Amino acid sequence: QKEVEQNSGPLSVPEGAIASLNCTYSDRVSQSFFWYRQYSGKSPELIMSIYSNGDKEDGRFTAQLNKASQYVSLLIRDSQPSDSATYLCAVNAVYGQNFVFGPGTRLSVLP
Amino acid sequence: GAVVSQHPSWVICKSGTSVKIECRSLDFQATTMFWYRQFPKQSLMLMATSNEGSKATYEQGVEKDKFLINHASLTLSTLTVTSAHPEDSSFYICSARQGAHEKLFFGSGTQLSVL
Repeated sequence: QKEVEQNSGPLSVPEGAIASLNCTYSDRVSQSFFWYRQYSGKSPELIMSIYSNGDKEDGRFTAQLNKASQYVSLLIRDSQPSDSATYLCAVNAVYGQNFVFGPGTRLSVLP
Repeated sequence: GAVVSQHPSWVICKSGTSVKIECRSLDFQATTMFWYRQFPKQSLMLMATSNEGSKATYEQGVEKDKFLINHASLTLSTLTVTSAHPEDSSFYICSARQGAHEKLFFGSGTQLSVL
């Protein structure tokens, strides 16, 4: 069974610090990797996608992918209280198949 | 990013009634849409995969006769909760897939409360 694992948290960081969120996946043929942010009572919002090994930066967000280790991470620089949310890792193996979501990591940025 | 519209945002109904939730992709064609359910402080639970013009594929444990899904066009999928009961109260979210890179965009969700 395909699995995506995340530490459920809560992960607490002070304002201005770097928040590091981690995700591992079991299906070696996974090709597409996504990070979603979900505020309480709201639906998930796509914040990053990554498809090849290495780093991808977008503003304060950096996604890192290591397919050999089956590991994807999200770094949030200069964390703000507004970043407090649950972050979902999603993995898609093959075109046309369903995404597999991790359980999410709850991030709390303390002012 | 692409826009997925979902409504209603919230609905309160009496036990035994049916509720229809609509999900529309506004600026792209979605051959596949997904329906999720989420209970408070829990992760997303995939209910079914909806393909345009064909029957939906339901996840194990999801009653297809209770949760009716119709995907009649490339931009619209509907979920009907038939004969709703209090245990069906939950946050229902649709999503649609866009493009070759398979990005998934979510509707705003529907909070269903069954009295």
